Amino acid sequence: QSVLTQPPSVSGAPGQRVTISCTGSSSNIGAGYDVHWYQQLPGTAPKLLIYGNSNRPSGVPDRFSGSKSGTSASLAITGLQAEDEADYYCQSYDSSLSGLFGGGTKLTVL
Amino acid sequence: EVQLVQSGAEVKKPGESLKISCKGSGYSFTSYWIGWVRQMPGKGLEWMGIIYPGDSDTRYSPSFQGQVTISADKSISTAYLQWSSLKASDTAMYYCARSSSIAARRDYWGQGTLVTVSS
Repeated sequence: QSVLTQPPSVSGAPGQRVTISCTGSSSNIGAGYDVHWYQQLPGTAPKLLIYGNSNRPSGVPDRFSGSKSGTSASLAITGLQAEDEADYYCQSYDSSLSGLFGGGTKLTVL
Repeated sequence: EVQLVQSGAEVKKPGESLKISCKGSGYSFTSYWIGWVRQMPGKGLEWMGIIYPGDSDTRYSPSFQGQVTISADKSISTAYLQWSSLKASDTAMYYCARSSSIAARRDYWGQGTLVTVSS
């Protein structure tokens, strides 16, 4: 069981908006450490999607956005597209456990 | 262009040793941390540990402390992950990834090395 909790799965129809939560605690997200998000398409290495809670690397569409509040963070995807079907992971840091990944969320585009 | 290129797939027997590699190029190898991430079949990402090649400062996740060894040879811009005695449960895809600090984003990733341990 991961220290950062994500829903195992979310789904949405093309064009809709979905959100994926990442819930931590006072020793990681709540301690002020940044949250980063990764997208992993089937059979490929993870790709950085959001960094520093809400920043997009060059090349990532603005349909993807991130936010953080208290001990949780969220990834939002608007205008859902079939190519967004993938696994999504949050990542942060814990003062006692070092690096952390969430358990991952499988996004299904209906 | 920043690249992390990992060594090829391995098939090993339980009890054997193994060292896989991750070669960085296109940036100052000694100025960034290299972390290792495990992904067991059908499972999520697990943070194993991280090394700063500049001074070999190494940190391990408690789950992997004592189970693996992370090292780096800055003269050839290569980081390593090694096992002294493999178990079937070590079967997984292993990724290396670059970051500017222990807590920072992993901005570049290797292509992954598949390790299969089977008798």
